[in-house]
Amino acid sequence: KAGVTQTPRYLIKTRGQQVTLSCSPISGHRSVSWYQQTPGQGLQFLFEYFSETQRNKGNFPGRFSGRQFSNSRSEMNVSTLELGDSALYLCASSHGTGVSEAFFGQGTRLTVV
Amino acid sequence: QKEVEQDPGPLSVPEGAIVSLNCTYSNSAFQYFMWYRQYSRKGPELLMYTYSSGNKEDGRFTAQVDKSSKYISLFIRDSQPSDSATYLCAPVRGNNRLAFGKGNQVVVIP
Repeated sequence: KAGVTQTPRYLIKTRGQQVTLSCSPISGHRSVSWYQQTPGQGLQFLFEYFSETQRNKGNFPGRFSGRQFSNSRSEMNVSTLELGDSALYLCASSHGTGVSEAFFGQGTRLTVV
Repeated sequence: QKEVEQDPGPLSVPEGAIVSLNCTYSNSAFQYFMWYRQYSRKGPELLMYTYSSGNKEDGRFTAQVDKSSKYISLFIRDSQPSDSATYLCAPVRGNNRLAFGKGNQVVVIP
């Protein structure tokens, strides 16, 4: 069974630009969650999509947005990039119902210069 | 106050020792408790999870939850160099949202 695939693996962007990250969940999983991981703050929840609807949202500014497609693939967008957005962005896929084990992708390492 | 507090370490132990890792949490709404392991340059992988107060064993790993004191522990017996990783506790609310601690970095020295 294929795992969670995140693309690209690495990205370098300039301040003020925008970026789109992609996540393909495990087949059959309807929930995709996004997390930001930094050395200082650890793993922080961004948002969760379930069946194309945002079901949960963390405490991040509106510059961070996402969407989910009918095939459960998800994209995350960050606009007007800041230096502090440099982080590892992780996507987790799960069935999304009941006790649902979340499987993580390898992440996208974003560096903002 | 952060929802989940976890001392980041690092924690260095000799091979074969018992590793003891702890988290505290503040939100009584957390319903189940997960432990993830993250190797360098990889995404976290689920080790085990438990619902209720008490112990749960899985091979060399034991997860312990005390809901009355909001305290979570993970014990690794007979530690191996391959156990060197960052361990993240992650309590979960009913809405499928994980709240991660900062993670404990563990180094097992051969």
